[in-house]
Amino acid sequence: DAGITQSPRHKVTETGTPVTLRCHQTENHRYMYWYRQDPGHGLRLIHYSYGVKDTDKGEVSDGYSVSRSKTEDFLLTLESATSSQTSVYFCAISDSGTKGNYGYTFGSGTRLTVV
Amino acid sequence: QKEVEQDPGPLSVPEGAIVSLNCTYSNSAFQYFMWYRQYSRKGPELLMYTYSSGNKEDGRFTAQVDKSSKYISLFIRDSQPSDSATYLCAMKGAGTASKLTFGTGTRLQVML
Repeated sequence: DAGITQSPRHKVTETGTPVTLRCHQTENHRYMYWYRQDPGHGLRLIHYSYGVKDTDKGEVSDGYSVSRSKTEDFLLTLESATSSQTSVYFCAISDSGTKGNYGYTFGSGTRLTVV
Repeated sequence: QKEVEQDPGPLSVPEGAIVSLNCTYSNSAFQYFMWYRQYSRKGPELLMYTYSSGNKEDGRFTAQVDKSSKYISLFIRDSQPSDSATYLCAMKGAGTASKLTFGTGTRLQVML
């Protein structure tokens, strides 16, 4: 998607290993979000950031950590991957209405499988 | 009870039909209402955006918000096979600290 890139697009990892997903934006938006999407649950917020080094937890943050050392990059780390973390992970960005639109722009997603 | 409820479908309609997609919500603080479209194996993309109550039209798409009933709708006229996707409603309250709350999505299939 224009202005936001997620990497990797696909990953298979073993239970107990750490995994880091990367979100990179070129829009200079202040807000960045990590969601997971699972059947029957929709999009659930994991963590979000409202500025460099400013982050907070979402509704499903257990087992995840984030870091944002630069405006353009927001990293999601699964400290010790479990099978329940098999999911599709989406990053989103927002300028929170500075241009009159509170919508989020989403990346293309990372499909993570924990075996 | 979830803050936002959305029928998961799937909803199958013939080409050319009028489609009605709906969400109900419980949080009266919600003021901004959106519809996202998500194609298979893609990220959601913003389709319609409305503030408070009323209607908004964009081509074949019309978004309606009824805050008194806590009910929002998306209508698709002259539906096309290319409209086959999952549609997610989303809403938020006022203020920059308020985050989007999403429905679980309705899967729509438009048949030839």
